[in-house]
Parts: sequence; C-alpha cells; structure tokens
Amino acid sequence: GAVVSQHPSRVICKSGTSVKIECRSLDFQATTMFWYRQFPKQSLMLMATSNEGSKATYEQGVEKDKFLINHASLTLSTLTVTSAHPEDSSFYICSAITSDGHEQYFGPGTRLTVT
Amino acid sequence: GNSVTQMEGPVTLSEEAFLTINCTYTATGYPSLFWYVQYPGEGLQLLLKATKADDKGSNKGFEATYRKETTSFHLEKGSVQVSDSAVYFCALSAGTLGRLYFGRGTQLTVWP
Repeated sequence: GAVVSQHPSRVICKSGTSVKIECRSLDFQATTMFWYRQFPKQSLMLMATSNEGSKATYEQGVEKDKFLINHASLTLSTLTVTSAHPEDSSFYICSAITSDGHEQYFGPGTRLTVT
Repeated sequence: GNSVTQMEGPVTLSEEAFLTINCTYTATGYPSLFWYVQYPGEGLQLLLKATKADDKGSNKGFEATYRKETTSFHLEKGSVQVSDSAVYFCALSAGTLGRLYFGRGTQLTVWP
C-alpha cells in the first residue's frame, strides 16, 4: 500500500530552538495532508490541514506562528515548531490523502522532546 | 459537534479470547466510521470502515457494525492472537474531506 514517511522519527532539542519535521508521501501525490499531535494515552488532536500551494488551515487554539506549516509540493509537507518549549514535547503525526480523496495514509510519527 | 468516545484500556486477553472494544460517537450529519490500528513504532493503519448505517466493516477477523440507533461502532474479534497486540483507535469523518475525529485509543495486549 501507499507509504507516508516522517523525518526525523525522534528529535531532542533545547528550549528556544526551532525544529522542522518532514512528511512525505512516497508513492502518491497528496493534495491534502493533516498534522496531528498526540499526548501520552490520549487521542490524536488535529492541528492543521495542509493544502499544496496554499496556506494551511489551523484548528482553533493552535498558534500558527508557532507551528509553521509549508506544503510546497504534492509529496512534501513540513511542520516547523518555532522557539520550542518543553510543553511542545509530544508525538506529531501526519497523514496524506490520495488525489482522488478515497484513501488516507498515516506517517509513523515524530517524537519531539524539548529540554 | 463531532466526537468519539472509546472504551478505555488497557485491555489484556489470553490468546483465542473474544474481543470487544466499545466506541460511541456524536456527529452532525451522516459520518463515516473507522477503526485504525497502531502497532509499536508504526503509523496508524486503517483496519476497517463503514460509510452508512447498518454497514459492517470487516478485515483480518475484526468486525464492526455501524449502528445509527445507538450511535455505536464497536470492534469485535472472535479469537485474538498475540500479533493483534496494538493500540486501536475509533474515528469518524464528517464533512471536510479526510478530517478525522479520533477516540483516545485502546491498548490491547494478548498473552500466549
């Protein structure tokens, strides 16, 4: 089946620095990608919807200036956590929808730890 | 609004036991319902889905029936295996293409 990759799988950074997470659809083009955040033993919370060639749509309560999303091509979306703080430590998961809109595939997630 | 309430875990079973993981939902309109599975270190994988009332989704021995009258989509399997150990998420999609609302996930551990 279709594969979505995320890079890096784990990252540790110092408070105040920025971290970029990549989400790639490896064998299909994805007009739309989603970014989720998952806290331990909790559900996946949608952060934003990323559409190729346009600005991302953020969910209520998500700071767009802190979580920068860029969807520059049909196979790549990036999430940059700017000026990271310990409370941003979490598991970030992306998903990508096929062009026909029929299937959605998830990446393996990125574990971010801010010290 | 849209939300999913899922049975809290963890659930621990012996091999060949019967599994039920409860899921109920609240939705505007007519949602599609999904069960996703997440194996350790991997991304979420679609396990099964149902797009309208009374539909039954099935895959790998797992089944779930879309019950509009009880707003439920309970996951069942007659005989679990050790390899079924994973986290299971119930989810719904309504309206915006692809946007999913997830339950909290249920950790299933199956012992040999």
